[in-house]
Amino acid sequence: DTEVTQTPKHLVMGMTNKKSLKCEQHMGHRAMYWYKQKAKKPPELMFVYSYEKLSINESVPSRFSPECPNSSLLNLHLHALQPEDSALYLCASSHPSRGDTQYFGPGTRLTVL
Amino acid sequence: AQTVTQSQPEMSVQEAETVTLSCTYDTSENNYYLFWYKQPPSRQMILVIRQEAYKQQNATENRFSVNFQKAAKSFSLKISDSQLGDTAMYFCAFMRAYSGAGSYQLTFGKGTKLSVIP
Repeated sequence: DTEVTQTPKHLVMGMTNKKSLKCEQHMGHRAMYWYKQKAKKPPELMFVYSYEKLSINESVPSRFSPECPNSSLLNLHLHALQPEDSALYLCASSHPSRGDTQYFGPGTRLTVL
Repeated sequence: AQTVTQSQPEMSVQEAETVTLSCTYDTSENNYYLFWYKQPPSRQMILVIRQEAYKQQNATENRFSVNFQKAAKSFSLKISDSQLGDTAMYFCAFMRAYSGAGSYQLTFGKGTKLSVIP
């Protein structure tokens, strides 16, 4: 089973709203990732959690706040977003051994009005 | 820093024919991993195939195979007997291999949009 699930599938929010994206995997993976993908572009890495600890933050604005409550769950809290933050947000997970494959979820399509 | 180049922004192929997607990369590393992911219009990123740089044998996965030329830093994907469901954006990706706990970063190419024509 290589399934990563993400909710919601679509999200529309205003610039003053607070919302959260959720990602879940039950493959025993201990590394989880958030990516941002604009149309016709490759994914851009935002955050990496390894063993529930934030190990990489690619200079993402503070209006994006990640959280890893346990080894199966990854959240991305959104607050005061800008229209340019509209994108597809992808979650991925991998077992943190050498060169292990990242498996992606279906993504959340976010629109900021 | 690693770079991945996909020189074909768009390609098309007739159903049942064979097509090859190109990927080159630049790295000073000796140990690394290479991947091809596909992203259909449904948008989920799906692993197609993976290659370990230390293996000389080219990876294959059913109708998908790669031509890995380490010296030339080339990693092309061949799709045989193309099917309509192969229509997607294809991304080539590079990952360093290094010891230590945790996570590993993927460097993606810009992608090749493949259309399979009935």
